[in-house]
Amino acid sequence: DTAVSQTPKYLVTQMGNDKSIKCEQNLGHDTMYWYKQDSKKFLKIMFSYNNKELIINETVPNRFSPKSPDKAHLNLHINSLELGDSAVYFCASSQGDLYADTQYFGPGTRLTVL
Amino acid sequence: ELKVEQNPLFLSMQEGKNYTIYCNYSTTSDRLYWYRQDPGKSLESLFVLLSNGAVKQEGRLMASLDTKARLSTLHITAAVHDLSATYFCAVDIVGKLTFGTGTRLTIIP
Repeated sequence: DTAVSQTPKYLVTQMGNDKSIKCEQNLGHDTMYWYKQDSKKFLKIMFSYNNKELIINETVPNRFSPKSPDKAHLNLHINSLELGDSAVYFCASSQGDLYADTQYFGPGTRLTVL
Repeated sequence: ELKVEQNPLFLSMQEGKNYTIYCNYSTTSDRLYWYRQDPGKSLESLFVLLSNGAVKQEGRLMASLDTKARLSTLHITAAVHDLSATYFCAVDIVGKLTFGTGTRLTIIP
């Protein structure tokens, strides 16, 4: 059983397009996250939601908009894609918020913007 | 702003040898995680260190935390090829993880 799943696994698109990445967790966790891993493998948090409420919003262009329809899902929509958005995007989940337990990561979505 | 630095960034070591990866961070925290990432794969949780002096061991890996020195170490004993991966430390400040730069470990037969 997959704990944290993401779709799609690979996404290749042209500059200027709008795309979405979906994330679902079946761990019963109440906090979910989006991370970006760049070509140098550097990982940085983008957003975090606890029980559908935004609790972490890093300095991310407003072209990126997370949406959490329920606490098991956290989607990431990206408008007007740019070359610099090419990266691997990881979703993660954990139990708790300010003093969260271990974060469990999804398989990642490799986004390539041409 | 919290800075988390790992060294070395790259490490090639022979099978059977011992080595240590260091993780230094700039702001007080008593929660630190170690993760492993295989090429093209996701991150796998290895250790959670929740207090000063915490030590955790799993197989050939042992992690420790010194919150006063703001230092965590990941020690590898008698390395085997299966341990080849990138290792990340991550410091937790009120639920927000800041990751280190990663250490790419290659074990040579």
